[in-house]
Amino acid sequence: GAVVSQHPSWVICKSGTSVKIECRSLDFQATTMFWYRQFPKQSLMLMATSNEGSKATYEQGVEKDKFLINHASLTLSTLTVTSAHPEDSSFYICSAPPSGDAYNSPLHFGNGTRLTVT
Amino acid sequence: DQQVKQNSPSLSVQEGRISILNCDYTNSMFDYFLWYKKYPAEGPTFLISISSIKDKNEDGRFTVFLNKSAKHLSLHIVPSQPGDSAVYFCAASSQAGTALIFGKGTTLSVSS
Repeated sequence: GAVVSQHPSWVICKSGTSVKIECRSLDFQATTMFWYRQFPKQSLMLMATSNEGSKATYEQGVEKDKFLINHASLTLSTLTVTSAHPEDSSFYICSAPPSGDAYNSPLHFGNGTRLTVT
Repeated sequence: DQQVKQNSPSLSVQEGRISILNCDYTNSMFDYFLWYKKYPAEGPTFLISISSIKDKNEDGRFTVFLNKSAKHLSLHIVPSQPGDSAVYFCAASSQAGTALIFGKGTTLSVSS
C-alpha cells in the first residue's frame, strides 16, 4: 500500500534555531502533500497544502514566513520551522493522497515529528 | 468554528460489546468521510471511509453509517477488542483526495 515516510520522528532544538522536517512518498508520486499540526489532546489542524512546482497554500492564521514549505519533487515535501519558539512545540504530521481512485485510496499519513523547542 | 465535531471525548466499553463513536458535521459540501485510529506520537491509521452517495459501509468489525439529512455519522465496532483502545478521529473533505478536516477525537478504552 501507499507509504508516507516522515523524518525525523522527534527533534529538540533551541529557541531561535530552524528545524527542517521531511515528508516522502515512498512508492507513489504525490503532486500534493498536506501538513498538519496537533497540540496535546487536540485535533489535527491543517496548516498548509504543498504543491509540487508551485507555492504552498497556507490556511488562515498560519504564518507562511515562519513555516516554509518546499515541494522539491514528486516524492518529497519539506516543512521548515524558522526561528522556532517554545510555542511552536507540537506534533507535525504530513499526508499525501495516493494516485488512482481517490475514493478507494484514502490519505495516508506519515508517523509524525515531535518538535520540542527549549 | 468547528466543521467536524466529536462531542464525546472518551468512551469505555467491555470486550465483546459494541463500540459506537459519533461524529457531526456542519459543512454541507462535505462529500467524503473517514475514520482514523491514532496512537500517541504516531500518525493516524486509516480505518474505513464512506462517500456521500452511500449510507453504510462495512469492513470486517467496522461499520460506518452516514445520515446526510442529520449531518451525522457513526462508527460501529463489533465485537470490541482491547487492541481497539486508541483515539478515533472522524474526518471529512469536500472531495476524495483533498485535505481532510478532523474532529477532536474520541478516546476509546476497551477493557477485558
